[in-house]
Amino acid sequence: DGGITQSPKYLFRKEGQNVTLSCEQNLNHDAMYWYRQDPGQGLRLIYYSQIVNDFQKGDIAEGYSVSREKKESFPLTVTSAQKNPTAFYLCASSSGQGPPNYGYTFGSGTRLTVV
Amino acid sequence: AQTVTQSQPEMSVQEAETVTLSCTYDTSENNYYLFWYKQPPSRQMILVIRQEAYKQQNATENRFSVNFQKAAKSFSLKISDSQLGDTAMYFCAFPTGGNKLVFGAGTILRVKS
Repeated sequence: DGGITQSPKYLFRKEGQNVTLSCEQNLNHDAMYWYRQDPGQGLRLIYYSQIVNDFQKGDIAEGYSVSREKKESFPLTVTSAQKNPTAFYLCASSSGQGPPNYGYTFGSGTRLTVV
Repeated sequence: AQTVTQSQPEMSVQEAETVTLSCTYDTSENNYYLFWYKQPPSRQMILVIRQEAYKQQNATENRFSVNFQKAAKSFSLKISDSQLGDTAMYFCAFPTGGNKLVFGAGTILRVKS
């Protein structure tokens, strides 16, 4: 079945460490997105990519980095520069490179906790 | 800036009754789509319903329907015959900058038996 796989489901990070969240899709979608969800807040866009080898910053890109070397994969690295990384991270994809007229398909999320 | 506002942080409804969740938005675009997503306790985001802004007819999916008022930039979600499985956080969203969605802060809906 087609879908988006995020791993791991839970991730613990020590202070000063970089960690990478995985997002893989087999939907043949062109566009992929990373959102952060904090309690009491909606989803905030971190980075997005509409095509391989290209990506753009979202509203809260500071302290994060991404790559898009393959159409299927869009990993997110949370760097030590991100001062408050504890949150729920959602990866999503949509077909085409224009407006997501049919919405997104979401992964099941990764819960990141700083210990 | 394009924004989405959900003014009801939490709502509750009795099983089998009807509830309406509010959403207003601000955009300068003419043709766009609007979405309602559901996030149950599993935290998996599920698309509930989609509305095309250039269509006057309100979208309906089984027990879910929308009341779309384009001039007022209002996009509310009505859930009829509420079921316990409808308990979730609900987000409205629409595209901004042409190619990405902006989400509201969400409304937590609790269905009581």
